[in-house]
Amino acid sequence: EAGVAQSPRYKIIEKRQSVAFWCNPISGHATLYWYQQILGQGPKLLIQFQNNGVVDDSQLPKDRFSAERLKGVDSTLKIQPAKLEDSAVYLCASTLGTRGIYEQYFGPGTRLTVT
Amino acid sequence: QKEVEQNSGPLSVPEGAIASLNCTYSDRGSQSFFWYRQYSGKSPELIMSIYSNGDKEDGRFTAQLNKASQYVSLLIRDSQPSDSATYLCAVNTGNQFYFGTGTSLTVIP
Repeated sequence: EAGVAQSPRYKIIEKRQSVAFWCNPISGHATLYWYQQILGQGPKLLIQFQNNGVVDDSQLPKDRFSAERLKGVDSTLKIQPAKLEDSAVYLCASTLGTRGIYEQYFGPGTRLTVT
Repeated sequence: QKEVEQNSGPLSVPEGAIASLNCTYSDRGSQSFFWYRQYSGKSPELIMSIYSNGDKEDGRFTAQLNKASQYVSLLIRDSQPSDSATYLCAVNTGNQFYFGTGTSLTVIP
């Protein structure tokens, strides 16, 4: 079974530029998560989707971050304009559903460096 | 505030010893508990899940859960240098996952 796919793996941009990350969850997984992980910290949830609807985006900086999952499968996270503090690893994860018993699996992540 | 606390370490153990990693959580309504291993520069990898009080064993790994004390731990028996990584504790509360900051483990050959 294929795991969570993400691209690109690495991205370097200058501040004020825009960037987009793509994620394809494990087949059949209805719930998709985007996390931000800063070095030395645990993953911080940015947004959670159930199919193509948003379950939680309370920690998403909506003035610069946006995300969509239009067909309930793959998802895109965008940052515009980027700030230096956005330098982090952006992780996508998926679960079968929203119930707490489901195990969450992560993709390889996208390492973003903002200069 | 839903919090998951871990000792950041670093924790060093000799090869072949038992490594003990601990995690506490603040929300008594938490339903399920997970341990992830994260190698440097890699994404978290699920190694254990536990849902009820007691112990759960999988190979060299044992997860222990005590909901009354709001405490979950991970024991790694016969530690190997390849176990050197950061171990993240994750708690599912209200169908959302909350992560600790991780404990760095080094197994010394």
